[in-house]
Amino acid sequence: GQQVMQIPQYQHVQEGEDFTTYCNSSTTLSNIQWYKQRPGGHPVFLIQLVKSGEVKKQKRLTFQFGEAKKNSSLHITATQTTDVGTYFCAGRSSGSARQLTFGSGTQLTVLP
Amino acid sequence: DSGVTQTPKHLITATGQRVTLRCSPRSGDLSVYWYQQSLDQGLQFLIQYYNGEERAKGNILERFSAQQFPDLHSELNLSSLELGDSALYFCASSVLAATYNEQFFGPGTRLTVL
Repeated sequence: GQQVMQIPQYQHVQEGEDFTTYCNSSTTLSNIQWYKQRPGGHPVFLIQLVKSGEVKKQKRLTFQFGEAKKNSSLHITATQTTDVGTYFCAGRSSGSARQLTFGSGTQLTVLP
Repeated sequence: DSGVTQTPKHLITATGQRVTLRCSPRSGDLSVYWYQQSLDQGLQFLIQYYNGEERAKGNILERFSAQQFPDLHSELNLSSLELGDSALYFCASSVLAATYNEQFFGPGTRLTVL
């Protein structure tokens, strides 16, 4: 079945440093979504990427979808303490799968 | 606040028991999803309903079942509970059935099986 791997599993950064999490799928994806889960909270939708090579920005966050639509990344510039949480990617295989498969997440800690 | 409600917030029960988790989707959303999140784990998709019909099935155990009612609320039934079933159970909803839709997650139900 479809597998979505996410690295790193944990990342500690000093406030102001940049952060990147990577998502890799075993199959070609039709779309990929990113969610953020604050400690003790629930996942919150951040963005969706659909096109090959697509790049989207939200303030300090930059999301990329690979040319082959098998990988994606989320980059945060100049992290802040409010960025703390776990970031999940979720993708659907371009085959017959009807559901999103979530990656295992990257837990970000920002040290003040 | 996502607009998705889940009850109860916490549930403590014993092995072998049966529990029911309830979810009310956002107003207007027809699709409901159930996920299981174990400690330090990602989100495992269990099942999806769309307008009362089962649409997609993930890694849902045979001891688990779900349904979506005419008023669109959904219930997840977990039976013959085992220690390993202890987890956070999230419900999410979206307007339509396709995975292109943003999913709105509820606050979750934390299940502890002793």
